[in-house]
Amino acid sequence: EVQVVESGGGLVQPGGSLRLSCAASGFTFSSYLMSWVRQAPGKGLEWVASIEEDGNQKHYLDSVKGRFTISRDNTRNSLYLQMNSLRAEDTAVYHCVRDFDFWGQGARVTVSS
Amino acid sequence: AIWMTQSPSLLSASTGDRVTINCRVSQDISTYLAWFRQKPGKAPELLIYAASTLDVAVPSRFSGSGSGTDFTLTVSSLQSEDFATYYCQQYYSFPWTFGQGTKVEF
Repeated sequence: EVQVVESGGGLVQPGGSLRLSCAASGFTFSSYLMSWVRQAPGKGLEWVASIEEDGNQKHYLDSVKGRFTISRDNTRNSLYLQMNSLRAEDTAVYHCVRDFDFWGQGARVTVSS
Repeated sequence: AIWMTQSPSLLSASTGDRVTINCRVSQDISTYLAWFRQKPGKAPELLIYAASTLDVAVPSRFSGSGSGTDFTLTVSSLQSEDFATYYCQQYYSFPWTFGQGTKVEF
């Protein structure tokens, strides 16, 4: 059974940092592009970042470039999102997504003082 | 970035109805388009990819069509679990972008 499970969400002050993790199982992790997609409260879906299968190519939403870093560890079947200089507008549920076909339930990130 | 415009934003329907949702894209994306259904409080589920290919285990009441800049999702006979929000997404190029969503309500 395919599973992706996010962790690491929480409440953080503006300007703070948080690291999200995604544990994958039930498929060959190293064969898939992986992404993070977020959904602010009551809003639609917004793609944040993607990383190619070997981890060499990364793509980012303009508004998170320089603040967020996506990475993966294919030996641990894990995906990560390091989020620095967080802003109120980063408040959202962050979903780990296999390619674009399988989504985790998400990790809630709240940026507030 | 490629812009996605879905219509309508809100759709009132009844069980058994045939419903159609449209997605217009700001540039030619061939058939690099996916449709998702999101039930309240749940993660999105992939319904269709490559504009018209049903994902595994997706009921045949769902169908997709279109290419280039205009796409359509059709549900031939709405079931109770289909009262949800639907999104289109282009994966032709980064940044991937989504439509604003269509809420199908009773």
